[in-house]
Amino acid sequence: GIQVEQSPPDLILQEGANSTLRCNFSDSVNNLQWFHQNPWGQLINLFYIPSGTKQNGRLSATTVATERYSLLYISSSQTTDSGVYFCAVMRRDDKIIFGKGTRLHILP
Amino acid sequence: NAGVTQTPKFQVLKTGQSMTLQCAQDMNHNSMYWYRQDPGMGLRLIYYSASEGTTDKGEVPNGYNVSRLNKREFSLRLESAAPSQTSVYFCASTLNQRGYTFGSGTRLTVV
Repeated sequence: GIQVEQSPPDLILQEGANSTLRCNFSDSVNNLQWFHQNPWGQLINLFYIPSGTKQNGRLSATTVATERYSLLYISSSQTTDSGVYFCAVMRRDDKIIFGKGTRLHILP
Repeated sequence: NAGVTQTPKFQVLKTGQSMTLQCAQDMNHNSMYWYRQDPGMGLRLIYYSASEGTTDKGEVPNGYNVSRLNKREFSLRLESAAPSQTSVYFCASTLNQRGYTFGSGTRLTVV
């Protein structure tokens, strides 16, 4: 089945720094999403981005479907950005598969 | 508030006991999902329901059963709990596969 790999697995940054999180997937997809899980465990949908680029405040995402990767950019990091970021793709059978996530620590 | 409601939030079971995790959404979403989250494993799909009256297996369905009771409710049942089912369980729903809403999770411990 389709494989979803995220990198790096862990990232520690000072407040104010920028970061890039990567998601590689092994097969063509028609649905890719990014999620944030905060330190209290709540999961929030950040972007639906099967292709192209989207921006929402300090966060933006780009998916290059032909090369099977997606990037999540976080600019001017804040401590509230800490948590785990997940990439998820939809297989042809409509099942959503998650990567193992990138754990981000933003230090004050 | 609109969203996905999961009950209970915490549960401790003895090996062999049964229980049902409840999930309800009030957003008129068609599709509903059950995931489990284990340390270092991300979220793994247990079962999903694309619409009322249909269910299908995900990546890790063994040991679980589901019921899509109506459009709002999707329950997950453990018939005979095992320690390997200790996990955090999340329910999610979506209208058109473009945005997902997750419940707050159920932390289950099987001893």
